[in-house]
Amino acid sequence: DAGVIQSPRHEVTEMGQEVTLRCKPISGHDYLFWYRQTMMRGLELLIYFNNNVPIDDSGMPEDRFSAKMPNASFSTLKIQPSEPRDSAVYFCATARTGAETQYFGPGTRLLVL
Amino acid sequence: AQRVTQPEKLLSVFKGAPVELKCNYSYSGSPELFWYVQYSRQRLQLLLRHISRESIKGFTADLNKGETSFHLKKPFAQEEDSAMYYCALNSGSARQLTFGSGTQLTVLP
Repeated sequence: DAGVIQSPRHEVTEMGQEVTLRCKPISGHDYLFWYRQTMMRGLELLIYFNNNVPIDDSGMPEDRFSAKMPNASFSTLKIQPSEPRDSAVYFCATARTGAETQYFGPGTRLLVL
Repeated sequence: AQRVTQPEKLLSVFKGAPVELKCNYSYSGSPELFWYVQYSRQRLQLLLRHISRESIKGFTADLNKGETSFHLKKPFAQEEDSAMYYCALNSGSARQLTFGSGTQLTVLP
């Protein structure tokens, strides 16, 4: 298993543009989490899904952020329009029911100019 | 609400010296605590969890409910231990983790 796969690994965009981050979970994992990592705030949970259903999106900073999980093998995090303060590393992590361990993807490093 | 505090953003020790990374939590229920590590240019990965009471790469962590702490310790630090360490709290069946702000450990030669 290749583990959690995220794409792109790096994204540079201009303010106002739409950004879409992608995540493929480990097969069989029914929990999926999106995190944002910054120097100032560390790791913050943005949203998580269970069986493709969003359970808690209270960490989503504002309406510019949205996340979907159309099926068990794919999730997206979208920022529209993007702003420079959105620059961060975005991690996807997955876990399976009954297990405490979350497995993290390599992250997407986003820079909004 | 749950909260995890790592008071040290940066910590430097010399190779062979003991190291302790501090973690305090606040949670009204029965917590599950973890340490995650992120080596340079690698993904975040689980280091250890309190429930298994294990030692990984020479690191141990004991849950102290009286002091609400879960400090990570290693008696003799190695250069390859240099990394970012995150303490995390699982506050129930929701499987969601609350992370501390992280401590960047640098082990000097």
